[in-house]
Amino acid sequence: GAVVSQHPSRVICKSGTSVKIECRSLDFQATTMFWYRQFPKKSLMLMATSNEGSKATYEQGVEKDKFLINHASLTLSTLTVTSAHPEDSSFYICSARDGGGWSTDTQYFGPGTRLTVL
Amino acid sequence: KNQVEQSPQSLIILEGKNCTLQCNYTVSPFSNLRWYKQDTGRGPVSLTIMTFSENTKSNGRYTATLDADTKQSSLHITASQLSDSASYICVVHYNNNDMRFGAGTRLTVKP
Repeated sequence: GAVVSQHPSRVICKSGTSVKIECRSLDFQATTMFWYRQFPKKSLMLMATSNEGSKATYEQGVEKDKFLINHASLTLSTLTVTSAHPEDSSFYICSARDGGGWSTDTQYFGPGTRLTVL
Repeated sequence: KNQVEQSPQSLIILEGKNCTLQCNYTVSPFSNLRWYKQDTGRGPVSLTIMTFSENTKSNGRYTATLDADTKQSSLHITASQLSDSASYICVVHYNNNDMRFGAGTRLTVKP
């Protein structure tokens, strides 16, 4: 099956710094990528939908100026957590969709990035 | 309101036993329903995709059912193994571009 990678897998940073997480689709072109965060023992929460070449669409309650998303190519999307604080510590997961709609395509998830803000 | 409810929230079974996880939804218009397995600290992995016309689909020891009339789906795991311990997430897609995640069922298989 298709593979989606994330880098880094773990990151520890000091409060106030910015952290960039990369999401790559390794063997297919993904016009749409999704970013999720997941707190311990909770399900995934969609943060934003990222479309190649256009601005991301953020879910209600997600600060677009804090969570910067860039989808510059069909295989790469990045999430930058700006001025990170301890409450931003979470498991961030991306996914990539291999088509244009949910009727036929498949969503492939990355392995996740564990962010810890001290 | 478009919602996806999963039950039970958590489940503990002995190795070798069977179990069934439930997913009820209210989203509309329905596109498809997907079951994912998520190991702790990992990303979800797709198990099955159920479309409107499919009632049952198997993937090894996993069998998913869908009743589009009652808007219910189940995931049945037979002859459970220790490696089945994970969270199982039901995701319903609708409107061609929208989706709703269930809260997941955390399954623990004990020896």
